[in-house]
Amino acid sequence: QVQLQESGPGLVKPSETLSLTCTVSGGSITSYYWSWIRQPPGKGLEYIGYIYYSGSTNYNPSLKSRVTISVDTSKNHFSLILSSVTAADTAIYYCASHGNWNELFSWGQGTLVTVSS
Amino acid sequence: QSVLTQPPSVSGAPGQRVTISCTGSSSNIGASYDVHWYQQLPGTAPKLLIYGNNNRPSGVPDRFSGSKSGTSASLAITGLQAEDEADYYCQSYDRSLSGYVFGTGTKVTAL
Repeated sequence: QVQLQESGPGLVKPSETLSLTCTVSGGSITSYYWSWIRQPPGKGLEYIGYIYYSGSTNYNPSLKSRVTISVDTSKNHFSLILSSVTAADTAIYYCASHGNWNELFSWGQGTLVTVSS
Repeated sequence: QSVLTQPPSVSGAPGQRVTISCTGSSSNIGASYDVHWYQQLPGTAPKLLIYGNNNRPSGVPDRFSGSKSGTSASLAITGLQAEDEADYYCQSYDRSLSGYVFGTGTKVTAL
């Protein structure tokens, strides 16, 4: 079973850029689609976007202007960049892998990112 | 604002059957896109519960089942247990948004 682990700063200042990495173990990043999801404290899940190892991406329209997801096959990891953050971007950020039915079958433990000065 | 609507909460006595609805539209569930369900226990990451409308991953108890009809889907828990207290989310694809979407989430309580 593939395992995922998010990493990155837990605190980002308003108007700055959030940057997270998801490291994949127990499987190759060339095998699936890979997603980022976030969850504001006490709220529901929000899809951020996904990437295939070839580099093709799909982003949530509400975040598209600020989001970039990239993949590094040599390091078996993929990354999230979210620019011009505000307090509304404070959330637990999860990375996950897609299965054959496009379900999210494996999730990272999540990392809390707080936007505050 | 999610395009998939779930009841905020459902509850039942231990041993009872509870169902959670996931109401979409002709651009997602009604367009024959698959529905998946996730269970999120307090303080933990979501876990896949049902995939492809009605399939259970290995290790998920058979008291969990999924169904889909028209523009809606449902998750049923038969024989509710205290350990089933969690938040549950449906997920599908929306062709108008050209992306994946989650439901609003439902908190299940065992009375």
